[in-house]
Amino acid sequence: DAKTTQPNSMESNEEEPVHLPCNHSTISGTDYIHWYRQLPSQGPEYVIHGLTSNVNNRMASLAIAEDRKSSTLILHRATLRDAAVYYCILFSGNTGKLIFGQGTTLQVKP
Amino acid sequence: EADIYQTPRYLVIGTGKKITLECSQTMGHDKMYWYQQDPGMELHLIHYSYGVNSTEKGDLSSESTVSRIRTEHFPLTLESARPSHTSQYLCASSLDRPNSPLHFGNGTRLTVT
Repeated sequence: DAKTTQPNSMESNEEEPVHLPCNHSTISGTDYIHWYRQLPSQGPEYVIHGLTSNVNNRMASLAIAEDRKSSTLILHRATLRDAAVYYCILFSGNTGKLIFGQGTTLQVKP
Repeated sequence: EADIYQTPRYLVIGTGKKITLECSQTMGHDKMYWYQQDPGMELHLIHYSYGVNSTEKGDLSSESTVSRIRTEHFPLTLESARPSHTSQYLCASSLDRPNSPLHFGNGTRLTVT
């Protein structure tokens, strides 16, 4: 299964944009890029996903590199409630499995 | 809103006991998953199912077993609990498409003494 690489931790100030990077150099053509976040003592929560084109929803934006070997999750205005572990995951259309990596712990400072 | 339910939320049990962790979803999803997560660590896929009567092992070897007799129900069983089974167990479900997001329950935190 293709792997993803994310920084262990990042910091942001409240109400500023946050760009969370993810490398996935071994991505295959059928892999979707999913992002989830996990708040303390909760299960992961879906944030956004994409295949080739950039995506926007009410929570975030996903920017996907043209070669698909990297992507960036963009939180336009971080709030204290956005402090969580963010996981970038490749969802394989071949195996049907969604494999989590270590994720990025985002701290948001007031 | 919670459309996927896990019970119990917390469980403390002695070594050697048989336990079943319950997971139910009301969304009609065909695919269901069990992940295991130690504190501060990543999630590991231990079981998944494509639908009724389908069960597959995940990437992390587990002594637990699962069953899928009904679409909405995906229980996980440990025949003889050991301290090494202490962990958080997270259940999830999705449509059977790679562009379909996973919906997670809030997990069962299991402690085996």
